[in-house]
Amino acid sequence: KAGVTQTPRYLIKTRGQQVTLSCSPISGHRSVSWYQQTPGQGLQFLFEYFSETQRNKGNFPGRFSGRQFSNSRSEMNVSTLELGDSALYLCASSLSPLYEQYFGPGTRLTVT
Amino acid sequence: KNEVEQSPQNLTAQEGEFITINCSYSVGISALHWLQQHPGGGIVSLFMLSSGKKKHGRLIATINIQEKHSSLHITASHPRDSAVYICARVPPTGTASKLTFGTGTRLQVTL
Repeated sequence: KAGVTQTPRYLIKTRGQQVTLSCSPISGHRSVSWYQQTPGQGLQFLFEYFSETQRNKGNFPGRFSGRQFSNSRSEMNVSTLELGDSALYLCASSLSPLYEQYFGPGTRLTVT
Repeated sequence: KNEVEQSPQNLTAQEGEFITINCSYSVGISALHWLQQHPGGGIVSLFMLSSGKKKHGRLIATINIQEKHSSLHITASHPRDSAVYICARVPPTGTASKLTFGTGTRLQVTL
């Protein structure tokens, strides 16, 4: 079975731009979560989607948003990028919200 | 104070040594997740446990719910075990996704 895939793997953007990151979960997994990892704050939960509905959201500003499609693929969007948004963005999938998660390789976003 | 604390922050060991990484948490959990992150960023899930002990190859994870403490042990360590090990709290709120992470333990195993 293929693992969680994330695209793109690397991205460079300029302050003020917006960005969309994509995550394809393991086949059959319906729950997708997103995490941000920075050297200063470590790993932090962004949001969780299950069956196209956002179930939980972390403490991030409204510039961070996401969605999940009927095939369980998910996207997250960051608008009006700031330098502090430079991070590794990780996606994880599971069969459902109560099951163990499996992580993707991440998208490394650099904001200049 | 962080909800999840790990020790030590950094650990250097020689090949073959027995390694212990500790994780303490201050609020309720439904389970504890141990993760491994290699340079380059990819994260691998090692264990998710809510009681007792789990073993997979040379890795053993234990948890003591009363003491709010978990340990990850690596027996017969090898340079390929060099990575950052992260524990994460799974909240008792009906989801295993809203994880709270420790700061990680950076392990280097030398020949």
